[in-house]
Amino acid sequence: RKEVEQDPGPFNVPEGATVAFNCTYSNSASQSFFWYRQDCRKEPKLLMSVYSSGNEDGRFTAQLNRASQYISLLIRDSKLSDSATYLCVVNGRSGGSYIPTFGRGTSLIVHP
Amino acid sequence: DARVTQTPRHKVTEMGQEVTMRCQPILGHNTVFWYRQTMMQGLELLAYFRNRAPLDDSGMPKDRFSAEMPDATLATLKIQPSEPRDSAVYFCASGLEYTTSGVYEQYFGPGTRLTVT
Repeated sequence: RKEVEQDPGPFNVPEGATVAFNCTYSNSASQSFFWYRQDCRKEPKLLMSVYSSGNEDGRFTAQLNRASQYISLLIRDSKLSDSATYLCVVNGRSGGSYIPTFGRGTSLIVHP
Repeated sequence: DARVTQTPRHKVTEMGQEVTMRCQPILGHNTVFWYRQTMMQGLELLAYFRNRAPLDDSGMPKDRFSAEMPDATLATLKIQPSEPRDSAVYFCASGLEYTTSGVYEQYFGPGTRLTVT
């Protein structure tokens, strides 16, 4: 089993739709979680951190479920500009360090 | 607007040649990461430094790859000798590790697109 797993998609949705992605992780000692966005041929950019209580930033909502070991990202009112690959990152404890592990990403295509 | 910078942005070289990639982390960040991204493998962690000390390089092929931080403003990733299978985009990222709980965010450079023929 991979440490961090995501559905690669693509998720193909119309403008205005609500779409949700999940990301599962296997290391129960994972400490912190993030969502990144990566556009084609660009570097990953931090979208938002994921807090235990859940957090919202505009149209984006991130949640953490430690019991089931997954994080989620919800995008409301999708825009064409939301088309990108969404990567989840899990910082898991390994020895004395926290090692970041990226998922393979979920591709989102928002069409008119 | 502080950014991570990487040079070169593109590199085409022949098999067997040495390749050196450079990264300038964001001033004040205490962690630096090197990643490799390919279509097949996604984003793989190659090396991780905290306060310039290497913490993890288990993802890096030791026989040909080496990573160093000669000072706080420069991180290098070297491949010698390079092989066609090393063709990929290499990203550097820096971050601030707030406490020993490891809560930190990473900021990526634009990457070096390496092609080995």
